[in-house]
Amino acid sequence: EAGVAQSPRYKIIEKRQSVAFWCNPISGHATLYWYQQILGQGPKLLIQFQNNGVVDDSQLPKDRFSAERLKGVDSTLKIQPAKLEDSAVYLCASSLGVPGDEQFFGPGTRLTVL
Amino acid sequence: KNQVEQSPQSLIILEGKNCTLQCNYTVSPFSNLRWYKQDTGRGPVSLTIMTFSENTKSNGRYTATLDADTKQSSLHITASQLSDSASYICVVSAQAAGNKLTFGGGTRVLVKP
Repeated sequence: EAGVAQSPRYKIIEKRQSVAFWCNPISGHATLYWYQQILGQGPKLLIQFQNNGVVDDSQLPKDRFSAERLKGVDSTLKIQPAKLEDSAVYLCASSLGVPGDEQFFGPGTRLTVL
Repeated sequence: KNQVEQSPQSLIILEGKNCTLQCNYTVSPFSNLRWYKQDTGRGPVSLTIMTFSENTKSNGRYTATLDADTKQSSLHITASQLSDSASYICVVSAQAAGNKLTFGGGTRVLVKP
């Protein structure tokens, strides 16, 4: 079974530029999550989708971050414009969407903002 | 506020030795607790999952314990190997819409030969 795929694996941009990350979840997983993980910390949930609807985006900085999952499968996360403090690893995870189920994580995209 | 605190933040052990990582949580209502292993440059991978009624769960050389009364969990690594060098993250799930997870900050383990 293929895991969660993410691209790119690494991205370096200058502040005020825009960037987009892509995630393809495990086939059949209804729930998709985007997390931000700052070095030395645990992941912080940015947004959670159930199929193509948003379940929780309370910690998403909506003035600069946006995410979509138009067809209920793959998803993109965009930052525009980027700030220095956005430097982090962006993890995508997916799960079946039933209570107590396991989230499977992708390898992450490491973003460096200069 | 739901919180998960882990200790120590980091530790160094010699290959072949044992170590124990701690996790305290205040997540309510409790659903389950997972320990994840995160290798450098990789996403977290689940090691164990424990529900309210379970107090010990093993996965090879990894043994997790749960005390739901004191809201504490531990992860014990036996006979450590170089490949155990990683961050170990305690994650607690609340019984709520969307199965929201609360992550600890992780313990970074370095196993030296």
